[in-house]
Amino acid sequence: GAVVSQHPSRVICKSGTSVKIECRSLDFQATTMFWYRQFPKQSLMLMATSNEGSKATYEQGVEKDKFLINHASLTLSTLTVTSAHPEDSSFYICSARERGGQPQHFGDGTRLSIL
Amino acid sequence: DAKTTQPNSMESNEEEPVHLPCNHSTISGTDYIHWYRQLPSQGPEYVIHGLTSNVNNRMASLAIAEDRKSSTLILHRATLRDAAVYYCILRSFSGNTPLVFGKGTRLSVIA
Repeated sequence: GAVVSQHPSRVICKSGTSVKIECRSLDFQATTMFWYRQFPKQSLMLMATSNEGSKATYEQGVEKDKFLINHASLTLSTLTVTSAHPEDSSFYICSARERGGQPQHFGDGTRLSIL
Repeated sequence: DAKTTQPNSMESNEEEPVHLPCNHSTISGTDYIHWYRQLPSQGPEYVIHGLTSNVNNRMASLAIAEDRKSSTLILHRATLRDAAVYYCILRSFSGNTPLVFGKGTRLSVIA
């Protein structure tokens, strides 16, 4: 079945550091990728939608200058959390879809802990 | 996308069937019913989806009411590995909108 690989699975770093998370679709070309964030005991919250070769669309309340998204190819999207602070600590999950109407497939998530 | 309503939690005994309900009274004609589940510390996993007819796959069955205002995800024999949060989500077939997650149902499986 379709596989989405997310890396790294866990990051612990100091406040002020920038962290890059990669999301790859391994056996299909993902025209659209999505980034979600999940705080403990809460549901997934959509952060942004990115289409290959164009700028990401951010949800209300998500700072585009803090959460940089790049979707340069049909198999790779990256999320960079710039100048991370403790309140950015969360579980970040990427998702990809081959084309509209198909199921979304999810990565295993990245647990980000900012000290 | 239309909203869904699910019980916060359910409990099942191992090796017994589980019926997870979902209400979606404002569903539109182009909305598909999707079910995903999230195991602890993992990303969501696709389970099944359907439009009008009941659907079966290796993981589960999806029973859709005739008026489409409710559906039930059926796990035929619950195992400990089925303990997860199950999300019922409506998504229109047209367009490229993302899945929007509600709170889901936390399923506990008792050995």
